[in-house]
Amino acid sequence: AQTVTQSQPEMSVQEAETVTLSCTYDTSESNYYLFWYKQPPSRQMILVIRQEAYKQQNATENRFSVNFQKAAKSFSLKISDSQLGDTAMYFCAFMNVQGAQKLVFGQGTRLTINP
Amino acid sequence: DADVTQTPRNRITKTGKRIMLECSQTKGHDRMYWYRQDPGLGLRLIYYSFDVKDINKGEISDGYSVSRQAQAKFSLSLESAIPNQTALYFCATSDARGTNEKLFFGSGTQLSVL
Repeated sequence: AQTVTQSQPEMSVQEAETVTLSCTYDTSESNYYLFWYKQPPSRQMILVIRQEAYKQQNATENRFSVNFQKAAKSFSLKISDSQLGDTAMYFCAFMNVQGAQKLVFGQGTRLTINP
Repeated sequence: DADVTQTPRNRITKTGKRIMLECSQTKGHDRMYWYRQDPGLGLRLIYYSFDVKDINKGEISDGYSVSRQAQAKFSLSLESAIPNQTALYFCATSDARGTNEKLFFGSGTQLSVL
């Protein structure tokens, strides 16, 4: 079974700084998807970024980018020029391409952006 | 209107009561999921359904049951609620027909069992 581990329960940075959230996963599959979801205090689950394992190029979405290291099974999220609105819980998640398409989540990292 | 709607938004109940959480979607997706979120554990899959006649257990199905009444509706029941079922519950949908696999989540139901 796949597992996803986020080893940083909480992080805090100053506004405009860059912050990196860590995620590692375990799987025997060669093709899969990885995601970062953001959960603000409104508790809505918002998709931040998505990476396909067969693509070597790291995904980027505006100020959000990932560092995908397939061999190391690592998938970190970098937030550049952090803003107060980035304050949220962030979840890393894994999905197999084959079989039932279920998301497996990490434990989450609570990120606080300080003014 | 939200594409994935969960009701109620919040619910407080007592141990032993039967509770139903409802989810409806207007996205036309065939796949629906129920997750629960606990602090420090992330989201864990309870049940999922790929169509009206397909129901599958997830990681933590004990104490729960589901019903897929229609393509657009997927309800989660707690037959006899217990305090450790206090959690934030999410319904989600996905469309397997495309290549952009991702889940769309409702706004969650916060359930407290006293």
